[in-house]
Amino acid sequence: EDKVVQSPLSLVVHEGDTVTLNCSYEVTNFRSLLWYKQEKKAPTFLFMLTSSGIEKKSGRLSSILDKKELFSILNITATQTGDSAIYLCAVEGSAGGTSYGKLTFGQGTILTVHP
Amino acid sequence: NAGVTQTPKFRILKIGQSMTLQCTQDMNHNYMYWYRQDPGMGLKLIYYSVGAGITDKGEVPNGYNVSRSTTEDFPLRLELAAPSQTSVYFCASNRGDYSPLHFGNGTRLTVT
Repeated sequence: EDKVVQSPLSLVVHEGDTVTLNCSYEVTNFRSLLWYKQEKKAPTFLFMLTSSGIEKKSGRLSSILDKKELFSILNITATQTGDSAIYLCAVEGSAGGTSYGKLTFGQGTILTVHP
Repeated sequence: NAGVTQTPKFRILKIGQSMTLQCTQDMNHNYMYWYRQDPGMGLKLIYYSVGAGITDKGEVPNGYNVSRSTTEDFPLRLELAAPSQTSVYFCASNRGDYSPLHFGNGTRLTVT
């Protein structure tokens, strides 16, 4: 059974701090790892990582994947109150040679940024 | 573009009642999914579809049914509601492999 574990489960920081969120996984026939940000409603897409060691970056957010050690990290620098959200990690695997992928989500990390 | 639209936004059901959660997308995506999200548990896949007329079970399909008669619509049916089905339900779609999911805004369902 595919498994994704995120840590920490919750994190409280002050504006300006840097945070690192962790995601480890076990999945059959790995295809990709995705990070989502969820505020009050639907998760919104942040990054997709398919190759090991390549950093994806968007403004203050960056992420890297280690396919050998089966984990990914999401870094947020100079945090702002608007970064407060649940951050979800999901891994896409393929089931027995079929052409589609299925996402397995971690529990999420609840990030709270205080002014 | 509206993206993925879910209705209703909220619903309270009594035990044993049935209902259909509606989901429609206007992005011409072949792949559609239903997830449920419980507090502290992440999202769990209920059912998915790779195209009109094709559906398959996900991780937690018991108590649910789906159909996919068109590319745009993917309704989720609860036949005999149980308190364990109290959750937030998300519909999502994508183009297929290596493309991110686009989520609807969710339906918050309470079964009492």
